[in-house]
Amino acid sequence: QSVLTQPPSASGTPGHWVTISCSGSSSNIGKNPVNWYQQLPGTAPKLLIYDNSQRPSGVPDRFSDSKSGTSASLAISGLHSEDEGDYYCAAWDDSLNAYVFGPGTHLTVL
Amino acid sequence: EVQLAQSGGGSVKPGESLRLYCTLWGVPFTDAWMSWVRQAPGKGLEWVGRIKSKGSGGTTDYAAPVRGRFSISRDDSKNTVFLQMNSLKVEDTAMYYCSWIVRAPGSMLSWGQGGLVTVSS
Repeated sequence: QSVLTQPPSASGTPGHWVTISCSGSSSNIGKNPVNWYQQLPGTAPKLLIYDNSQRPSGVPDRFSDSKSGTSASLAISGLHSEDEGDYYCAAWDDSLNAYVFGPGTHLTVL
Repeated sequence: EVQLAQSGGGSVKPGESLRLYCTLWGVPFTDAWMSWVRQAPGKGLEWVGRIKSKGSGGTTDYAAPVRGRFSISRDDSKNTVFLQMNSLKVEDTAMYYCSWIVRAPGSMLSWGQGGLVTVSS
């Protein structure tokens, strides 16, 4: 059972936008930065967003995030077919003294 | 360019041990915090643990399911981090990734190619 909660699936059409939510608690999202990872089929995860909305070099600004209290969300605008894959939120949990991932959301681009 | 290369996966029986290796290039390894993440077949990502740089104390943290069985260490002279896995269980079967933490406490920017560990009788 994950300490972070995500919807199992999301979908959108090319060119449109989609949001993926992530819910946690005061010991993780409520206190620490949220990271978002993308995992395309058969590949290693890729860091999309970290340290309060920072995007690593090469990640397009179509990917953005927001956070309020103990919840966060990832927004993807201008959907491309190659965005189809799994998306994970993650954060350090001060109570567990561990880094925790959400269960992942599978994004389908219709 | 930051690169990580992994080695050491394989198949073992329950109760046996295995060691994974991960070498990092492209950043000063002595300053690097490193992490291990695993993914069971068809499942999501699970954090295994991390090791801080020696300058930050060189300490380790582990996820509850592996605490006491797995240990992470580093050899700064070889730019290499190790994951020693003892008393392996069937449920430890997974692809194991090492990663470089670009920003504490756990933002993992660069990842290895993964190494498959299969535990089966």
